[in-house]
Amino acid sequence: EDQVTQSPEALRLQEGESSSLNCSYTVSGLRGLFWYRQDPGKGPEFLFTLYSAGEEKEKERLKATLTKKESFLHITAPKPEDSATYLCAVQGLRGYQKVTFGTGTKLQVIP
Amino acid sequence: DGGITQSPKYLFRKEGQNVTLSCEQNLNHDAMYWYRQDPGQGLRLIYYSQIVNDFQKGDIAEGYSVSREKKESFPLTVTSAQKNPTAFYLCASKNRDTTFDRPLGYTFGSGTRLTVV
Repeated sequence: EDQVTQSPEALRLQEGESSSLNCSYTVSGLRGLFWYRQDPGKGPEFLFTLYSAGEEKEKERLKATLTKKESFLHITAPKPEDSATYLCAVQGLRGYQKVTFGTGTKLQVIP
Repeated sequence: DGGITQSPKYLFRKEGQNVTLSCEQNLNHDAMYWYRQDPGQGLRLIYYSQIVNDFQKGDIAEGYSVSREKKESFPLTVTSAQKNPTAFYLCASKNRDTTFDRPLGYTFGSGTRLTVV
């Protein structure tokens, strides 16, 4: 069974204090790893898809990286508007439409 | 702008009542999905549809039903058989990467919060 574990559960940063969120996964052949951002009371917003180990993608202050066992979401010089819950999900070879989500990391950036 | 519209934003269900959650998309996506989100748990798949007039059960389909009569619409009915329906319901859609056959990310709606009263 595919599994996704995100850590930490919650993270509090000062504005400008860079850090990383972790997503560890086990999957029967990775087809894609996804990162989403979710604001309270809203639906998740797609950020990145990573397909193979060594791949990296960037968007503004966010950079996602992927190894064979985990993915990191690096946040450089965060701002208060980066406060949200960040979700990681994987899609493996077993079950074409099966996507397994983690429980998320709740990020708070303090001015 | 293209997107997914879910309605209503808040819904209250009485015991023994069926309720229907609406989901409409104008993204021209073939595949549509319903997820349930509970505190402290990852999103769980209820139903999905890859094409009009066809849909498949997800991991937690019991007590739910769907229809897909139009490409744009994928309503979810929460029946009285669903014993614990209080949750945040998310509709999603996605396109298909026909060039590389790689999975693409979801576009989600803004959600419907269902509460049993």
